[in-house]
Amino acid sequence: EVQLVESGGGLVQPGGSLRLSCEASGFTFSSDWMHWVRQAPGKGLVWVSRINSDGRSTSYVDSVKGRFTISRDNAKNTLYLQMNSLRDDDTAVYYCARGWFDPWGQGTLVTVSS
Amino acid sequence: DVVMTQSPLSLPVTLGQPASISCRSNQSLIYSDGNTYLIWFQQRPGQSPRRLIYKVSNRDSGVPDRFSGSGSGTEFTLKISRVEAEDVGVYYCMQGTHWPPTFGGGTKVEIK
Repeated sequence: EVQLVESGGGLVQPGGSLRLSCEASGFTFSSDWMHWVRQAPGKGLVWVSRINSDGRSTSYVDSVKGRFTISRDNAKNTLYLQMNSLRDDDTAVYYCARGWFDPWGQGTLVTVSS
Repeated sequence: DVVMTQSPLSLPVTLGQPASISCRSNQSLIYSDGNTYLIWFQQRPGQSPRRLIYKVSNRDSGVPDRFSGSGSGTEFTLKISRVEAEDVGVYYCMQGTHWPPTFGGGTKVEIK
């Protein structure tokens, strides 16, 4: 069974940092692009970042460029999102998703607040 | 960025009756390879999104055949032929033709 499990969320102060992880199983992780998508409380879905299969190509939504870094370790079947200079409006559930957005993980909540 | 507009915002439906959700883009979603990368997701209360339909009309494995997708160019529709209680949730369309991927604002399906 294809499965994605996120971790690393929590409460952080504005300006702080957090690293999210997404552990993949049930498929050949090294063959697929991966994405991060976020959802602020009570709001819709926003694509955040993607990385290609070998990790050499990345893209970001404008609002996180220069602050967030997506990466992957294919030997560990794990996707990462390093989030720096966090702001209040980064508060959201962060989901990882495979390829053409199937499947999604269960999400991890990031709360930025003083 | 491509703007995706869904309607209605809220859709109260009687059990067993049909439901239809509209999704419009402000640019054609036909890619240079001839495919149209329009996806529909279902998000049940308290759950993560689940892909239902990809490339306009292709149902994912395990998705009931009461769900169907149609459309072309800039106008797309998700139809539920007979709504069941388990269909309650928010439905999102997403385009993957143009970078970056963008989502519609969502349509909340609820039972009358």
